[in-house]
Amino acid sequence: DTAVSQTPKYLVTQMGNDKSIKCEQNLGHDTMYWYKQDSKKFLKIMFSYNNKELIINETVPNRFSPKSPDKAHLNLHINSLELGDSAVYFCASSQRGGSDTQYFGPGTRLTVL
Amino acid sequence: AQTVTQSQPEMSVQEAETVTLSCTYDTSESDYYLFWYKQPPSRQMILVIRQEAYKQQNATENRFSVNFQKAAKSFSLKISDSQLGDAAMYFCAYRGNTGNQFYFGTGTSLTVIP
Repeated sequence: DTAVSQTPKYLVTQMGNDKSIKCEQNLGHDTMYWYKQDSKKFLKIMFSYNNKELIINETVPNRFSPKSPDKAHLNLHINSLELGDSAVYFCASSQRGGSDTQYFGPGTRLTVL
Repeated sequence: AQTVTQSQPEMSVQEAETVTLSCTYDTSESDYYLFWYKQPPSRQMILVIRQEAYKQQNATENRFSVNFQKAAKSFSLKISDSQLGDAAMYFCAYRGNTGNQFYFGTGTSLTVIP
């Protein structure tokens, strides 16, 4: 069973379009995250939700809007895509506090043309 | 905010040899957790090893071990008997005891030479 899954794994789209990436975890974790990994492999935290509540909201353009319908799902919607949005987006989950590690999804490679 | 520093952007090692990747971090917390993640070309982020700060004993996982120096805020990863499959990007990460946020270093790209 996949612990953290993301769809789609690849996304190619035109500038100006709107797209969504879905994430689901079956680990029973209460916290989920979105990261952006750029071409230099830097991992940058974008958002984090704990039990559907937004708890981390880094400096990200407001074209990016996360939505958490329940604690097992965290989706990322991106409006008016720009060339600079091209990157790999990772979803991850963990349990709040304690020693639990963070588990990552397979990543979504977004290419904006 | 906590910071995690990986000062070696790239490293290489001969197959079957040993290599050490360095990581330092800055924190005012006494309880925290440290991690090494591996990202092969497949891009999947894989947990390699984890260390609890309250444990003095260094964590080991088969060929992977850490040298945790709490006072120096250093957390290096040693890979013994390097294999071709170890070639990947390695990220050091920090998590506080009560927080949700994980802080990642900028990564070290490891090449294994046959």
